[in-house]
Amino acid sequence: AQSVTQLDSQVPVFEEAPVELRCNYSSSVSVYLFWYVQYPNQGLQLLLKYLSGSTLVKGINGFEAEFNKSQTSFHLRKPSVHISDTAEYFCAVRTGGANNLFFGTGTRLTVIP
Amino acid sequence: KAGVTQTPRYLIKTRGQQVTLSCSPISGHRSVSWYQQTPGQGLQFLFEYFSETQRNKGNFPGRFSGRQFSNSRSEMNVSTLELGDSALYLCASSFLQGSTDTQYFGPGTRLTVL
Repeated sequence: AQSVTQLDSQVPVFEEAPVELRCNYSSSVSVYLFWYVQYPNQGLQLLLKYLSGSTLVKGINGFEAEFNKSQTSFHLRKPSVHISDTAEYFCAVRTGGANNLFFGTGTRLTVIP
Repeated sequence: KAGVTQTPRYLIKTRGQQVTLSCSPISGHRSVSWYQQTPGQGLQFLFEYFSETQRNKGNFPGRFSGRQFSNSRSEMNVSTLELGDSALYLCASSFLQGSTDTQYFGPGTRLTVL
């Protein structure tokens, strides 16, 4: 069975500072990995995804993530955050043959002016 | 292209009632999935429909059901509502039914059960 662990439920960071949101997954088969962002009272928006190929994936709004198979991790990073990045971030995994996503519990990123 | 739309956006019901939520996928998308989001359980998969057929189902009681129409629009129904059914219900659509296909989410329907 698949599972996703987001170790930090809340991450406060000052504006223009770098941030890393951690995500670890467990699966016995090949996985596809996703990061979504949710702004208040909105649905989920895809930030980036890893399907295959290069382990460094670039997404929208300056975010990037690195797939590390040996550590079963897919951490999300941004070198300089803005106030507008304040939101909830969800890591998700999908395995071959199934279309549904398994989500982590989310990390609330708060950017402090 | 218009995104995924969900109606209504907000709904208040009382225990024991039933409710129907609607989802219109992105034009051309044939797969529709439903998720429940609650503070306690997080985001959980309910079911997926592709070409009017339920292809996959999560671990929810039979009170939760859905269907998909020939134009790919989908509805989900919850019968005999319980307080614990209060949640944000998210619909997601994708072009195909495949592991690599991106799911695009709607804004959700917030259901409150009193």
